[in-house]
Amino acid sequence: EVQLVQSGAEVKKPGESLKISCKGSGYSFATSWIGWVRQMPGKGLEWMGIIYTGYSGTRVSPSFQGQVTMSVDKSINTAYLQWTSLKASDTAIYFCAKQSSDGGDYNWFDPWGQGTVVTVSS
Amino acid sequence: DIQMTQSPSSLSASVGDRVTITCRASQSISRYLNWYQQKPGKAPKLLIYAASTLQSGVPSRFSGSGSGTDFTLTISSLQPEDFVTYYCQQGYTTRWTFGQGTKVEI
Repeated sequence: EVQLVQSGAEVKKPGESLKISCKGSGYSFATSWIGWVRQMPGKGLEWMGIIYTGYSGTRVSPSFQGQVTMSVDKSINTAYLQWTSLKASDTAIYFCAKQSSDGGDYNWFDPWGQGTVVTVSS
Repeated sequence: DIQMTQSPSSLSASVGDRVTITCRASQSISRYLNWYQQKPGKAPKLLIYAASTLQSGVPSRFSGSGSGTDFTLTISSLQPEDFVTYYCQQGYTTRWTFGQGTKVEI
């Protein structure tokens, strides 16, 4: 079974750093794309960006460029999303998801991790 | 980036109703359109990819259509578990975008 398991909820203060994780299993993690999606409280889904686990190449939404860092550790099948200085506005649920394909041009997110709740408050 | 606009933002319906949700892209995206369902407190779940292909395991009451800029998700007969939120997402460009969501309420 293809599965993504994310790290647990975090409560941080503004200005603190944070790294959350997403561990894949049941497929070839080392040659896959992993995406990150933000959902602010009571709001919709926002595509943050995506990372190719093979060589850590990234595509990042302009809205998140410079605000977060995506990385991968292929040795432990884990992708990461990192902040160096959190803001209250980073409070949200963060989902990772595997980009899947029909083998042709079409791609989608499936499956998804369960989400990591990040709360930033003084 | 391509903007995705869903309508309506919310709708009220009853069990057994047929409902249609519309998603419009700000430019042509061919058939690079996916639909997801999100239940409260849960991760989104893929329903339909490539505009009209039903994901394995998804009930046949769900269907998708469209190409270019206009797409629809139809639920032929609403079941109690379908009263949740639906999102479209374009995969035409390398930077994907989601619609703002449509909440289906009883």
